[in-house]
Amino acid sequence: EAGVVQSPRYKIIEKKQPVAFWCNPISGHNTLYWYRQNLGQGPELLIRYENEEAVDDSQLPKDRFSAERLKGVDSTLKIQPAELGDSAVYLCASSSSLAGAMETQYFGPGTRLLVL
Amino acid sequence: RKEVEQDPGPFNVPEGATVAFNCTYSNSASQSFFWYRQDCRKEPKLLMSVYSSGNEDGRFTAQLNRASQYISLLIRDSKLSDSATYLCVVNLRNQGGKLIFGQGTELSVKP
Repeated sequence: EAGVVQSPRYKIIEKKQPVAFWCNPISGHNTLYWYRQNLGQGPELLIRYENEEAVDDSQLPKDRFSAERLKGVDSTLKIQPAELGDSAVYLCASSSSLAGAMETQYFGPGTRLLVL
Repeated sequence: RKEVEQDPGPFNVPEGATVAFNCTYSNSASQSFFWYRQDCRKEPKLLMSVYSSGNEDGRFTAQLNRASQYISLLIRDSKLSDSATYLCVVNLRNQGGKLIFGQGTELSVKP
């Protein structure tokens, strides 16, 4: 079974440029998560989708970050404009339960973003 | 104060050593508890869930003390392949699977 797929794996951009990340969750997983992981830290949740609905976006910096999950499968996360402090690894995860509480979250390999 | 705090690393141990990682959490609404493993430049992967009664998986033993809001992971007979960062993770009740990660503790097992 294919795991969570993310692209690109690496991205280098100049500050103030836009950037987008794509995630394809495990087939059949209705819950999708975007996390940001800074160097030396654990991942922090940015947004959680149940199907196509964003049910928790409380930690998404909405002035520059946006996300969508049209049709409840693939998802994109966008930053516009990027700032130096956005350099991090952006991880996508998915799980199979709408409740989400006890189902294992499977992570993709992440996109490493470097903003210069 | 961070919601989940772990021992600062790194831990450098010889092969065959026993090593213990400690973790505390501050939110009493924490419902489920996990240890994830993250290899260098890789994604986190679930190592094991942690139950109130304690649980063991081979060389790995996890313990939970709800009264003290404390979680531990014990690795016996360390292998070179155990070298990784170990992340303590809690799931908050009624927040639909939101995982709160600790900052991780790096383990390096040397020959």
